[in-house]
Amino acid sequence: EVQLVESGGGLVQPGGSLRLSCVASEFTFSNYLMHWVRQVPGKGLVWVSRIKRDGTSVSYADSVKGRFTISRDNAKNTLYLEMNSLRVEDTAVYYCARSPPNSYSMDVWGQGTTVTVSS
Amino acid sequence: QTVVTQEPSLSVSPGGTVTLTCGLSTGSVSTSHYPSWYHQTPGRAPRTLIFSTNTRSSGVPDRFSGSILGNKAALTITGAQADDESDYYCMLCMGSGIYVFGTGTKVTVL
Repeated sequence: EVQLVESGGGLVQPGGSLRLSCVASEFTFSNYLMHWVRQVPGKGLVWVSRIKRDGTSVSYADSVKGRFTISRDNAKNTLYLEMNSLRVEDTAVYYCARSPPNSYSMDVWGQGTTVTVSS
Repeated sequence: QTVVTQEPSLSVSPGGTVTLTCGLSTGSVSTSHYPSWYHQTPGRAPRTLIFSTNTRSSGVPDRFSGSILGNKAALTITGAQADDESDYYCMLCMGSGIYVFGTGTKVTVL
C-alpha cells in the first residue's frame, strides 16, 4: 500500500527547533514532488512548503520563509522539514503529501504529526 | 496577501446537488491555477477529489465534478449522500512553486 508516515512532532518552547520526517513506502519516491501542509485543529489547511523531485528547487509560504527548510533524501525515501525559531502560531498538525509531476496537486497524504509550541 | 475564498458553509438534501466555489482575492481563477479539491472529516487526513480543474482522483465517484464557473473554480456534488458531509478545501497554484488553500466549506447533508 502506498503510504506516507510522518514523525518528529512534539512539544517545543518558543524559539526552539524541531525536525519532522516523512517516510514513503510502496512507490518510487524520487518520481514525485513533495509538500508539507499544516492545520491548526479546528481550522483550515495551510500550504507550507514544496520540494521538487531532485531537491534542487524548493518554495515556502511567506509565514515560514527563512525559518523552515524542506529537504529530501531519495536514497532513504524520506522527506524532512527543519523548523527553527518556532513560534506559538506554528502549533499545528503537519502533513506531508505526494504530488505527481505536472498535477500541481497532492494525491496521497500522511496521517500527520502534531507540533505544539508553548512555554 | 493572496486570499482564496470559499463559502463557509453549504447544505444539501440527500440526492440533491450542491456547488462549492473557489475565488481569488486578486482576480479570476483559471485553469492556469490548476485548481484542486480535497475533503476532510474531523480527525482524519485530507483526501484528494479533483486535480487540474476537472480530473477526478483515483477512486473518486463521478458524482464529484470540477469546473470553472465564471471567475471561480467550482466543485459540484450531484446526488449527494450522507457520507459527503465533510469539510471541503480548494487549492490553487499561484506560480513559482507557491500554493494557497481556500478557506474551506463545511457541507452538511440534511
